[in-house]
Amino acid sequence: QVQLVESGGGVVQPGGSLRLSCAASGFAFSYYAMHWVRQAPGKGLEWVAFIRNDGGNKYADSVKGRFTISRDNSKNTLYLQMNSLRAEDTAVYYCANFRYVSGSFDSWGQGTLVTVSS
Amino acid sequence: EIVLTQSPGTLSLSPGERATLSCRASQSVSSSYLAWYQQKPGQAPRLLIYGASSRATGIPDRFSGSGSGTDFTLTISRLEPEDFAVYYCQQFGSSPEWTFGQGTKVEIK
Repeated sequence: QVQLVESGGGVVQPGGSLRLSCAASGFAFSYYAMHWVRQAPGKGLEWVAFIRNDGGNKYADSVKGRFTISRDNSKNTLYLQMNSLRAEDTAVYYCANFRYVSGSFDSWGQGTLVTVSS
Repeated sequence: EIVLTQSPGTLSLSPGERATLSCRASQSVSSSYLAWYQQKPGQAPRLLIYGASSRATGIPDRFSGSGSGTDFTLTISRLEPEDFAVYYCQQFGSSPEWTFGQGTKVEIK
């Protein structure tokens, strides 16, 4: 079955960096667009970034220029490099796979918590 | 950017009752690309409905979706104890863009 397992979260000071990973299994990872979606404590879902199977990408305005999404299809792994972190980036970060035909996020990881605090 | 507004913010109902959740878009959304998710505390969201009205794999038939254009509805015909959760609508647009509604909490009355 589809499994998405995020890792790399933790506590980081404002201005710091963190790299999240998402290990995928149970589906043809290289064929799927992948996304990062975050959820601040007690808040709703916010789309963060997207990467196509060919590497094309797009970012939310709130993270553009600070976050970089990438993927290694040989390792079935998705990444999110987060630089210049701010307090408002504190959230649980989920990776999710996306199906164009339905326009929906079919499967989600369990999430990894990023806390930006001094 | 298309904004999705969900109402009500909180729905207080008893098990066995019918729940009707609304998702209104600021511009017309393709029905093919409107989805609903359920999220329970401490868990990841789970896909319930895609294409406005198609149930995802394993979703009970008490969940149904409807609507078109700017107005979409998620209906839970008879609430089971495990259905008390937060529900989000989500759209996929051509830019491309992805947006979520702010969520509706269905709580036990």
